[in-house]
Amino acid sequence: AIQVTQSPTSLSASLGDRVTLTCRASQDINNKMAWYQQKPGEVPQLLIYYASTLQSGTPSRFSGSGAGTDFSFTISHLQSEDFATYYCLQGYSLWTFGGGTKLELK
Amino acid sequence: EVQLVESGGGLVQPGRSLKLSCVASGFTFSNYGMNWIRQAPGKGLEWVAYISSGSSYIYYAETVKGRFTISRDNAKNTLYLQMTSLRSEDTALYYCARKLMDAWGQGASVTVSS
Repeated sequence: AIQVTQSPTSLSASLGDRVTLTCRASQDINNKMAWYQQKPGEVPQLLIYYASTLQSGTPSRFSGSGAGTDFSFTISHLQSEDFATYYCLQGYSLWTFGGGTKLELK
Repeated sequence: EVQLVESGGGLVQPGRSLKLSCVASGFTFSNYGMNWIRQAPGKGLEWVAYISSGSSYIYYAETVKGRFTISRDNAKNTLYLQMTSLRSEDTALYYCARKLMDAWGQGASVTVSS
């Protein structure tokens, strides 16, 4: 089974900051990586799929990149509504979620 | 509007069984593969099972293989998860989601406890 290592597990940042999260897959997954946002008590929301394609409705301050085993997710200018937990998901061979990154207000 | 509505959750004793349902609307259910994903309290997301649109392909996470069975009834726009030999570690919120995981239900809570 493909393992996905997400880092960091938590991150403190300020409004307006640029933050980057990373996920590493245990084997080449081409571009089959997606990113989700989950707020407390809410359902995960798909933000990015195929590593860099924005889901309809995702603000342009969110971006994703990478291929193979290394992927990154960036929020270019943090807004108050962005403080949440983010998960990556590989969909190359079955599905595996990363452990999550909790983004908190500094 | 795409909607997925889970039901069937509850409190169950270890070793017992429970069956979850997920009713879909707002899209052509029979065209989509479907997943079950779970989230233990305070923990991350874990993919549980997948079924293709015509039920030809079925896959399970190792943690549930042999105990859980995913199925669907396209005539009823309904996805199922039959859970047997339940353990305390199966306690979670169970979500159904489309294959691309672009649409999720609100989840059904399952608590396994004596």
